[in-house]
Order: sequence, then structure tokens, then C-alpha cells
Amino acid sequence: DGGITQSPKYLFRKEGQNVTLSCEQNLNHDAMYWYRQDPGQGLRLIYYSQIVNDFQKGDIAEGYSVSREKKESFPLTVTSAQKNPTAFYLCASSRPSDEQYFGPGTRLTVT
Amino acid sequence: GENVEQHPSTLSVQEGDSAVIKCTYSDSASNYFPWYKQELGKRPQLIIDIRSNVGEKKDQRIAVTLNKTAKHFSLHITETQPEDSAVYFCAASFSGGYQKVTFGTGTKLQVIP
Repeated sequence: DGGITQSPKYLFRKEGQNVTLSCEQNLNHDAMYWYRQDPGQGLRLIYYSQIVNDFQKGDIAEGYSVSREKKESFPLTVTSAQKNPTAFYLCASSRPSDEQYFGPGTRLTVT
Repeated sequence: GENVEQHPSTLSVQEGDSAVIKCTYSDSASNYFPWYKQELGKRPQLIIDIRSNVGEKKDQRIAVTLNKTAKHFSLHITETQPEDSAVYFCAASFSGGYQKVTFGTGTKLQVIP
């Protein structure tokens, strides 16, 4: 299961707190992605980055922020502005025009 | 933008039977169609993909067909086994550089022993 890692596996936060999810890859992929997975809704794209210091909003970016200071790292911050943050978050990376490699995911619960 | 619809949302088959999952897409520019399998609590993993210059691709018990005119593609699993039980996602993207991939909503396949 090496290549792309996410930490922690489970994360619990109180409502109103920002929380940062980690994603690291050693596959030398330029592109990285964040998805949110809810039951029955598939994978929805939050943000993606094609190159260091550049990223684009996906379909559901509101209430989230990202940074891409290093090729290997693409952390996601879930802010207090995200109205329904409890979900399973998946990070992925890829080469151009190729499959996406997913991390093991972080299950975030906000109460 | 691209929209991918996937059917059915759940599918139960007897072990040894075939399973078929269908997807449609909206953007005629899409030319890369991967299929991912996600077992319970695990990450999605690619099981097969097809590009628009090919109409069909097969890998052992798994095959994918693509009809660009009708904008639909399908996953076929033959001789299903209990370990095939999982959620399957189709996806579509334009493979020019780094693609933004649009996923279907998933099909939960249950193979009954």
C-alpha cells in the first residue's frame, strides 16, 4: 500500500474548528486530487493541482482550502465554513492521461 | 462540464453468473474511461480502462465496451465470484494532459454464493 498515504485514518473534531488532512505521495506524480465520498454519491472532486504552487477548484470547493508547496504534498483544510464536513476524504495522484492512484482515505467526523 | 450517469445503483447476482454495469457520459470530448473497484473501507483501485480509439477491451473475466456514438460504456464481469462483491465506479475524462475525472455514483455489486 505504499506510494500515496493519508493521515490520520480517523479524525474527530468539534463543529467550528478547522482541520487539516494530510496527503503525501512518493510516486513522482505531478497531479494530485482531493475527493469527498458520501454514501450513494460517488466521488466528488474538491480541488486538484497539476503542478506545484498551482491548484484549481473542483465541483464542491466551498468551505475547503488547499496548498501545494511541494510536489509530494497536497494538504486539505476543512474550514468551519463547510456546512456538512463529516465524510470520507480521498486523495489521489496521477501522471498525465493515466489512472489515478488513491490513498487509503481519512474518515472525518465533526460533532 | 462532464456528467456521468451510472446504472444500476445496486446489483445482486448468483455466483457464476455475469454482471453488467452501464454508464453514459455527456461530453463528446471525453476519451478516457476508467473503471474502479472499491472494497468496503478501502481505496478505489483501477480494474480496467479504455480509450476512445478502442471499442472493447478484455482482461480475464472483466471486459469493457465503449460506444462513442451513443456516449455509453459498460463493464462486464463474467463467472462472478464472491470476491467480486464491491462498489464499482465508472469515470470519464479528456486525456489531454492532466485530466479532471468525473465519476459515476457507483454500483454496489453483491455476488451471492
